[in-house]
Formats: sequence, C-alpha cells, structure tokens
Amino acid sequence: KQEVTQIPAALSVPEGENLVLNCSFTDSAIYNLQWFRQDPGKGLTSLLLIQSSQREQTSGRLNASLDKSSGRSTLYIAASQPGDSATYLCAVKKNAGNMLTFGGGTRLMVKP
Amino acid sequence: GAVVSQHPSWVICKSGTSVKIECRSLDFQATTMFWYRQFPKQSLMLMATSNEGSKATYEQGVEKDKFLINHASLTLSTLTVTSAHPEDSSFYICSARAPAGDNEQFFGPGTRLTVL
Repeated sequence: KQEVTQIPAALSVPEGENLVLNCSFTDSAIYNLQWFRQDPGKGLTSLLLIQSSQREQTSGRLNASLDKSSGRSTLYIAASQPGDSATYLCAVKKNAGNMLTFGGGTRLMVKP
Repeated sequence: GAVVSQHPSWVICKSGTSVKIECRSLDFQATTMFWYRQFPKQSLMLMATSNEGSKATYEQGVEKDKFLINHASLTLSTLTVTSAHPEDSSFYICSARAPAGDNEQFFGPGTRLTVL
C-alpha cells in the first residue's frame, strides 16, 4: 500500500526566503505526482504535475523535482511571499485511472 | 482549465437527517469522479470512486449504506450522507478525472458539513 509522507508538517519563514518542501512515497511505481495548494476551508488548486518520466516541472516561482527511484519529490518556492501561506499537499497516482494518495501536507506561513 | 463545482458549499443539519452533496464537471465529461473526506488539519482520504453508470467502489472502512453515491450522468455525481451524526462532520471534496491527456484530476471547492 502506497504511503506518502510530507516533511515538515508546518513551516514558518520570513518573507523573501527560498524554501523547500519535501514529499516521500514508499512505492516508486507511480504514474505521476502532483503538488497542490489548499487555502483554509477551500478546495485544492493544482500547482504542478510531474509525469513519472519527467525529472522536474516549473511554474513561476515554483519548481518541483521528482526522483522516482528514491521515492522523493521536492517543491521549491523562490522568494516566498505572504500570499504563499497555505497548506501544500503532494499526491501520487499509481495508474492512469487510479485515485490519488495524498501526503499529510505542509502548513506554510510566510510572515511579512 | 477544467472546472468542477460542488453544491452546497456548506450545510448544517440535525443528527439523524440525510444530506446530499452534488459534484459537477462544468466543461468536460467525467466518467470517473472521486469523493474524499478531510478532517481538520488532516489530509484528504479517499472514500470512494464513482463510475458513471455503475456502482461506486468504496475504500476499506467506508460504509456504502451510509455514504450513498450516484453517478447518473457524465457530469454529475452525488454523495448522500444518510442518518448523519456529529462524527460525520467533515470537509467533503470531490474530483473529476479528465477523459484525455494525462488523466489529471480536477478538484471541487469542497463542502463543509456540520452535524449538530
């Protein structure tokens, strides 16, 4: 059974810092990995999706990497802003039609 | 991008009543939708996979007679929480799988259920 772990569970940083969020998964046979953002009481916003054949994806200040063999992914946020404060979730999919298995999330607070 | 809506966005009900939550894919057809539950400060846990025109597949530990799922059309899935109790209070989120491309899932905004 796939297990997804996110470290740290919570993170508080001053504005402007570059930061890294970590995600690990136990079964390396994945179809893709996705990073989401969730604001309090809201649904999920997809940030980046990395196919199993890819090593990284970039969108603006966000960069996600994938090392499938070691079961790890990182989300790099450059020049953090208070508006980045949210919970960040990573999720892996085993097969094309399969459901997502989510990690516990990292609650990020960026202080002005 | 693809849009998924949920209705209602929040609901408060008395213990013992039933509540129906709708999940709609607005601009694409979804043969498969997923229902997740999220307790405070916890991650999303899959409850069931909803397939259009067939019975839903429930995850272990989820009571199918309590959480009724109907996926009658390619754009609508409903989750009915029957005889709701306070412990059913949670945030319920649905997602719909795009039929083409990389099978990305698109999530609804969630429904906050509070059972008194």
